[in-house]
Amino acid sequence: NAGVMQNPRHLVRRRGQEARLRCSPMKGHSHVYWYRQLPEEGLKFMVYLQKENIIDESGMPKERFSAEFPKEGPSILRIQQVVRGDSAAYFCASSPRPGNEKLFFGSGTQLSVL
Amino acid sequence: GQQVMQIPQYQHVQEGEDFTTYCNSSTTLSNIQWYKQRPGGHPVFLIQLVKSGEVKKQKRLTFQFGEAKKNSSLHITATQTTDVGTYFCAGDTGTASKLTFGTGTRLQVTL
Repeated sequence: NAGVMQNPRHLVRRRGQEARLRCSPMKGHSHVYWYRQLPEEGLKFMVYLQKENIIDESGMPKERFSAEFPKEGPSILRIQQVVRGDSAAYFCASSPRPGNEKLFFGSGTQLSVL
Repeated sequence: GQQVMQIPQYQHVQEGEDFTTYCNSSTTLSNIQWYKQRPGGHPVFLIQLVKSGEVKKQKRLTFQFGEAKKNSSLHITATQTTDVGTYFCAGDTGTASKLTFGTGTRLQVTL
């Protein structure tokens, strides 16, 4: 049973470009969470999604950031017109049930904005 | 909004010494979880505590949940170099939404 898969592991973008981060949850998991981590800091909640629904996006900036979890395929976190301050590690986690069950994390995507 | 703080931010110990990290929430929690993140790695679930005053042990690790369900601690007895990493607590207020992670405690263990 494969774990949570994130790709790419590393993503380099120039200012103004778009970044698309992908997350495939564990098999049987329909709840996906995105967290952002700056160096030497904690994990900041961004968004919680179930299949085809955004449940809680209170941690996501209103502009430039969007997330989806379609019926088929991985969850996507999209950052438009990236700026240097978007550079961070973005972790995806999944769980099999709603509520705050144990989270299984992917290996993360390290985004670097030049 | 809910805030979860951890102290200390960083601790450096000699192998064999004990280590404790403390977690404090600004709001009452329905449960608390602990995660470990190795350098360059991703968070890995350690344990979940649900009941007021609950104590759980995993080999050299002892986890406690406060009586008021607003604080928790993780104690490691006789640290080893394999314990190196950052330990995060994570709590929720029972809204069936998101886990709020603490600020983390980075543990360094040297021989």
